[in-house]
Amino acid sequence: SQKIEQNSEALNIQEGKTATLTCNYTNYSPAYLQWYRQDPGRGPVFLLLIRENEKEKRKERLKVTFDTTLKQSLFHITASQPADSATYLCATKASGTYKYIFGTGTRLKVLA
Amino acid sequence: KAGVTQTPRYLIKTRGQQVTLSCSPISGHRSVSWYQQTPGQGLQFLFEYFSETQRNKGNFPGRFSGRQFSNSRSEMNVSTLELGDSALYLCASSLAETGDYTFGSGTRLTVV
Repeated sequence: SQKIEQNSEALNIQEGKTATLTCNYTNYSPAYLQWYRQDPGRGPVFLLLIRENEKEKRKERLKVTFDTTLKQSLFHITASQPADSATYLCATKASGTYKYIFGTGTRLKVLA
Repeated sequence: KAGVTQTPRYLIKTRGQQVTLSCSPISGHRSVSWYQQTPGQGLQFLFEYFSETQRNKGNFPGRFSGRQFSNSRSEMNVSTLELGDSALYLCASSLAETGDYTFGSGTRLTVV
């Protein structure tokens, strides 16, 4: 079955460093991937979408890459700040449906 | 613009009872999706509605049902509640086929 996998272990990094989160997908080739941020007790907030024909997408301090050979997307936050601490989710639409599949998310903690 | 509104924010119910959750999407958004989020399973797709029609349903028992009204507002119902139904229930609306969902803050359901 189509799956999205993220490293479920928390990622702790020092303020100012670049955080890199990984999203791997199996058993299909998505046309695009989305990244969301979720704070405790709140709904996810859409951040970025990258299509399969785009190698890289940027938005302010955020950068997303999409490697169809490795079946992987990387999400980078440069010059990280404590306010970036949250859980980051990767998602895509299951092929032939209107259903979105989400990874379990990676919890990022930026230490001051 | 107003976001996605979910009511109520918190709910405590007893096993065997039923519950109805409400979602008002962003004005103009005709697609509404529902997800269940638990710490162990992450976001699990429940169903998606578009113009009052259910287009997709997730792998949940028949106790979980939903509907969408002509104004795009949606409700989901869970009957004969079980302890395992305790979760954060999230509603998301979208405008385009690519999703970039806007989520509500969710309804935290606790079954005791």
